[in-house]
Amino acid sequence: DAGVIQSPRHEVTEMGQEVTLRCKPISGHDYLFWYRQTMMRGLELLIYFNNNVPIDDSGMPEDRFSAKMPNASFSTLKIQPSEPRDSAVYFCASSLAGVRGEETQYFGPGTRLLVL
Amino acid sequence: GQNIDQPTEMTATEGAIVQINCTYQTSGFNGLFWYQQHAAEAPTFLSYNVLDGLEEKGRFSSFLSRSKGYSYLLLKELQMKDSASYLCASLDSNYQLIWGAGTKLIIKP
Repeated sequence: DAGVIQSPRHEVTEMGQEVTLRCKPISGHDYLFWYRQTMMRGLELLIYFNNNVPIDDSGMPEDRFSAKMPNASFSTLKIQPSEPRDSAVYFCASSLAGVRGEETQYFGPGTRLLVL
Repeated sequence: GQNIDQPTEMTATEGAIVQINCTYQTSGFNGLFWYQQHAAEAPTFLSYNVLDGLEEKGRFSSFLSRSKGYSYLLLKELQMKDSASYLCASLDSNYQLIWGAGTKLIIKP
């Protein structure tokens, strides 16, 4: 398996622009997670989906952030408008359901976002 | 509240042994994970403990005490490539992972 795939790997944009991050989870995985990682705040869960349905979006910073999962093999995280404080590494991860209590999450390589 | 505590940084010598501690307070508990993260890379799974005791996997071992809310990751025969951040994460009653801030491990020759 190719693992979790994210694109783009790097993104540099200007404040106010729309940013769209993409993720393809591991085939057969039921859960998909979006994380943000910064030096100051560490790894933060933004939102997660189960079978394409958003379950918990309490970590989404504000209305500028939105996430969708139109099908089992694709998800997007959108920031509109972007701000310099959104600069971070955004990780997508996926996991299997069914084996309760051992939800190992497999991470994609991340998207390094810099908002100028 | 939910809280994971682990040291910010540790230094050890190549060939030696190091123990990275983690204490957790989460609403419910369904297991404790350790992940390794090299600089500019994604976290990768190392271990999972749900029962008390020691789980050994080659040079790496992970220990859990549920009554004490405590875990540690033990790394033996340290190699330079073990220089990384080590993240402790607790699976709470909603099966959500609560992450620690990570311990940066520096290996010196």
